[in-house]
Amino acid sequence: SQKIEQNSEALNIQEGKTATLTCNYTNYSPAYLQWYRQDPGRGPVFLLLIRENEKEKRKERLKVTFDTTLKQSLFHITASQPADSATYLCALGIGSARQLTFGSGTQLTVLP
Amino acid sequence: GAVVSQHPSRVICKSGTSVKIECRSLDFQATTMFWYRQFPKQSLMLMATSNEGSKATYEQGVEKDKFLINHASLTLSTLTVTSAHPEDSSFYICSARSGQGAVNTEAFFGQGTRLTVV
Repeated sequence: SQKIEQNSEALNIQEGKTATLTCNYTNYSPAYLQWYRQDPGRGPVFLLLIRENEKEKRKERLKVTFDTTLKQSLFHITASQPADSATYLCALGIGSARQLTFGSGTQLTVLP
Repeated sequence: GAVVSQHPSRVICKSGTSVKIECRSLDFQATTMFWYRQFPKQSLMLMATSNEGSKATYEQGVEKDKFLINHASLTLSTLTVTSAHPEDSSFYICSARSGQGAVNTEAFFGQGTRLTVV
């Protein structure tokens, strides 16, 4: 069956450290993968998109990797801050479909 | 980035009544909008894909007569939950993408609507 799994439901790290979140998928062949941030009671906000032919993408303190052999994406936040505390969702774009399929998210808490 | 406005943000209704949720793209034309449902600590589950001027495409298991979707213009899609029951209580979120050919692009999400049916 098709699955998208994000490494853990919750992740706590100390301020200033690097947070690493994992997104693994099975039985999908995504053309691209996206990461979103969702705050409680709010809709998701787009962070980064990485295509199947790209290995790594960076944006300020954020870095995403995409390994289509391992069927895994890693999402890194360097020099983390309490304001980075939120739920982070990965989403797969499948073929020519315009809808996204989401993982269940990882709730990140950055402790001061 | 582009803005998608969803209204209302919270609604409480009585069992058996209908509730309409609006989703507007404020600064771009959205030929396609998507409606999601999210339960606590769970993923966004796609309910339906709404194309301007045509019937919505519903995901398996979603009752189209219960969740009526209308996408009458390039900037507005509505979701009406008809004859609501307590089990319909959830967080409903819409999203939109700009441009028909822009497949590998970000999706812009509304703020979400917390529906509580009592």
